[in-house]
Amino acid sequence: NAGVTQTPKFQVLKTGQSMTLQCAQDMNHEYMSWYRQDPGMGLRLIHYSVGAGITDQGEVPNGYNVSRSTTEDFPLRLLSAAPSQTSVYFCASRRDRYYEQYFGPGTRLTVT
Amino acid sequence: AQSVTQLDSHVSVSEGTPVLLRCNYSSSYSPSLFWYVQHPNKGLQLLLKYTSAATLVKGINGFEAEFKKSETSFHLTKPSAHMSDAAEYFCVVYRDDKIIFGKGTRLHILP
Repeated sequence: NAGVTQTPKFQVLKTGQSMTLQCAQDMNHEYMSWYRQDPGMGLRLIHYSVGAGITDQGEVPNGYNVSRSTTEDFPLRLLSAAPSQTSVYFCASRRDRYYEQYFGPGTRLTVT
Repeated sequence: AQSVTQLDSHVSVSEGTPVLLRCNYSSSYSPSLFWYVQHPNKGLQLLLKYTSAATLVKGINGFEAEFKKSETSFHLTKPSAHMSDAAEYFCVVYRDDKIIFGKGTRLHILP
């Protein structure tokens, strides 16, 4: 049982490049979320999903895209990277609405 | 709508003294509240959670939190700080299908 896994751990992009951050969980959780963490800002919700085929926006969705074709996977796409997207990204999952959330180890992204 | 405010961005205590990290929430109904901890360059770990079963909630590593509806507070406490408690702590509220994080309190432990 690997829990929540994220790849890559580190990534450097140039402005304008696109990429996908991968997230997978093997706990059969319905709810999955993406956050970004910036100093002094806590974790801010980017997008979330309450089940396969269902996604919705969080607080800071601009510049990011998601899809949820399976229960296990929830990739985050950066459409055209900008320096403002330099951050640490965390994926998380939970069994149901009020249950504990489990976090992946994070991806540190730098956009130059 | 629900939101959460952590009243201190930094707290410093001496080793062996009590810890108090403050959190206030705004909610139109009884919330689900959590505290998470993040050690330097690590992921997030659940410390404790309140889901209306008991107002005093015990967590891991000697931490506990008390839900006070009249004060809309969910402060985190520990009787005696240890050097290993140095970390960032997040108060979290569940709002419908979303989870809202406070901005965090960084706890410094002085020797």
